[in-house]
Amino acid sequence: DAKTTQPNSMESNEEEPVHLPCNHSTISGTDYIHWYRQLPSQGPEYVIHGLTSNVNNRMASLAIAEDRKSSTLILHRATLRDAAVYYCILRDEYQGAQKLVFGQGTRLTINP
Amino acid sequence: DAGITQSPRHKVTETGTPVTLRCHQTENHRYMYWYRQDPGHGLRLIHYSYGVKDTDKGEVSDGYSVSRSKTEDFLLTLESATSSQTSVYFCAISEGVGGNSDEQYFGPGTRLTVT
Repeated sequence: DAKTTQPNSMESNEEEPVHLPCNHSTISGTDYIHWYRQLPSQGPEYVIHGLTSNVNNRMASLAIAEDRKSSTLILHRATLRDAAVYYCILRDEYQGAQKLVFGQGTRLTINP
Repeated sequence: DAGITQSPRHKVTETGTPVTLRCHQTENHRYMYWYRQDPGHGLRLIHYSYGVKDTDKGEVSDGYSVSRSKTEDFLLTLESATSSQTSVYFCAISEGVGGNSDEQYFGPGTRLTVT
């Protein structure tokens, strides 16, 4: 399975933008880049995904490098509720099932 | 929130005893998954199902079996629990891949302690 590399931890301030980087130098042409986050004592929660083009949704934006070897999750205006572990995942697929391989993720701390 | 429940939510059991964890969904999603999460680690896939009676192994399937006799239920069984299986277990569901089907929804988790 293709792997991703993320910083172990990051810190930001409330109401400021946050850029969470992810390297995936061994990505294949058919791998989708997914981001999930896990709040304390909860199951992971889907954030966003993309293939080649930048993507936006109500939670975040995903910027994908032109060579697809890296991507950045952007939280435009962080709140205290965004404090979580963020996972960058390359989605593998078999018979329509998503085989997600989670790394250790980035623990994001938001300061008030 | 997606309709996913896990039972029990907490369980303490002794080494060598069988344990079954249940995942129940009300979304009628085709795909279901079992993960485990250990302290300081991300989730690891144990088994998954791509339909009733259709299951396959994930990356850490040794010591676990699964069954899916109905769309809504996916059971994870530890035939003979060991201390190394102490973990938090998460169930997840998805419709499939492509477009809006790409989200995977997770349950609240089951904390299992094997003494």
